[in-house]
Amino acid sequence: AQRVTQPEKLLSVFKGAPVELKCNYSYSGSPELFWYVQYSRQRLQLLLRHISRESIKGFTADLNKGETSFHLKKPFAQEEDSAMYYCALMGPGGYQKVTFGIGTKLQVIP
Amino acid sequence: NAGVTQTPKFQVLKTGQSMTLQCAQDMNHNSMYWYRQDPGMGLRLIYYSASEGTTDKGEVPNGYNVSRLNKREFSLRLESAAPSQTSVYFCASSERGISHDSPLHFGNGTRLTVT
Repeated sequence: AQRVTQPEKLLSVFKGAPVELKCNYSYSGSPELFWYVQYSRQRLQLLLRHISRESIKGFTADLNKGETSFHLKKPFAQEEDSAMYYCALMGPGGYQKVTFGIGTKLQVIP
Repeated sequence: NAGVTQTPKFQVLKTGQSMTLQCAQDMNHNSMYWYRQDPGMGLRLIYYSASEGTTDKGEVPNGYNVSRLNKREFSLRLESAAPSQTSVYFCASSERGISHDSPLHFGNGTRLTVT
């Protein structure tokens, strides 16, 4: 069974400090992994996807198959980064095979 | 361009009452989904519609029914609400099946309380 673990419910960092939101997954095949974000009073939206190897709003995430991790990182936290972050894994069969983590609330302290 | 619109935003029901959550998208997406989110749990898929005219069960379909009224609209019905259905409900759509280039687009959510 596929599973996504986000071990931290809350992560507090000071503005300007590095951020690492942890995501570990359990899946036997080659997963597609995503990070979704929900800012206060806004809808859940896609932040980035591993296959694109992109950097969005200064965030990056590298898929580490050996450690089965997809941690989200940013070198210098900004106040506007405060939000709920969800890691999601998609296995084959798309529609019903998307598993979300429980989410991590990032709080950036001014 | 409103994206995915859900109504209502909040609802309180008594046990046994029925209601329908409405969802519409204006992005011409083929696939639509209903998720629920509970404290300490990730989003869980209730039902999905891969394309107009089709619906399928997700992970937690019991107690719910859905209707894909047309390409734009996908409603979720609770026939006899139970306290266990107290949750936040999210509607989402994707251009086609979920993939790296067809991600989910979410509505703002409906907070439902069943007493």
